Amino acid sequence: QQQVKQSPQSLIVQKGGISIINCAYENTAFDYFPWYQQFPGKGPALLIAIRPDVSEKKEGRFTISFNKSAKQFSLHIMDSQPGDSATYFCAASPYNQGGKLIFGQGTELSVKP
Amino acid sequence: ETGVTQSPTHLIKTRGQQVTLRCSSQSGHNTVSWYQQALGQGPQFIFQYYREEENGRGNFPPRFSGLQFPNYSSELNVNALELDDSALYLCASSLGAHSSTDTQYFGPGTRLTVL
Repeated sequence: QQQVKQSPQSLIVQKGGISIINCAYENTAFDYFPWYQQFPGKGPALLIAIRPDVSEKKEGRFTISFNKSAKQFSLHIMDSQPGDSATYFCAASPYNQGGKLIFGQGTELSVKP
Repeated sequence: ETGVTQSPTHLIKTRGQQVTLRCSSQSGHNTVSWYQQALGQGPQFIFQYYREEENGRGNFPPRFSGLQFPNYSSELNVNALELDDSALYLCASSLGAHSSTDTQYFGPGTRLTVL
């Protein structure tokens, strides 16, 4: 049962461009939405996260936009760099159930020099 | 402070066999969660252990079982292996189990291949 849908499956961006990855969740009580970055041969690492009472969160070149009414959230990577090339996962955490993350399918990002 | 470690890195088994995967949590963390990541997919939650007790389970059959030890290290056991069990198995540790904002620190995973 897929509760978090992520798109696109893959993304190619030129260096300096903006990478945008979108996620949508179904009608479930989630209260925390993290994004994870995974490099080949490594486990996922927390990149940035947002609570549903906030519409936007920015950390450096990474921004999450959150639309609670539409049940959608997105990751924007500004000034994308070749070192950002990785697989990105959105996730949702059920209310007060720490660690039981529901992940999207992942987006493989390739940033071309 | 050491990170989350997992062993072995890779493992090849045949259908019907049993396997044990191990995870050492980050120092000070009392909660460990296990995930299965099939190729090209996002991780799927298997179960969580908090202070040596199972604290929630995903949609996985009983042949997937686990343990957490007093030092908070953990094992994932899978019996009667099936071809579809081939995946990357990830463990993640965190400081607690009751706040959704507790950061999950993932290990590098164990790649299991079932032939």
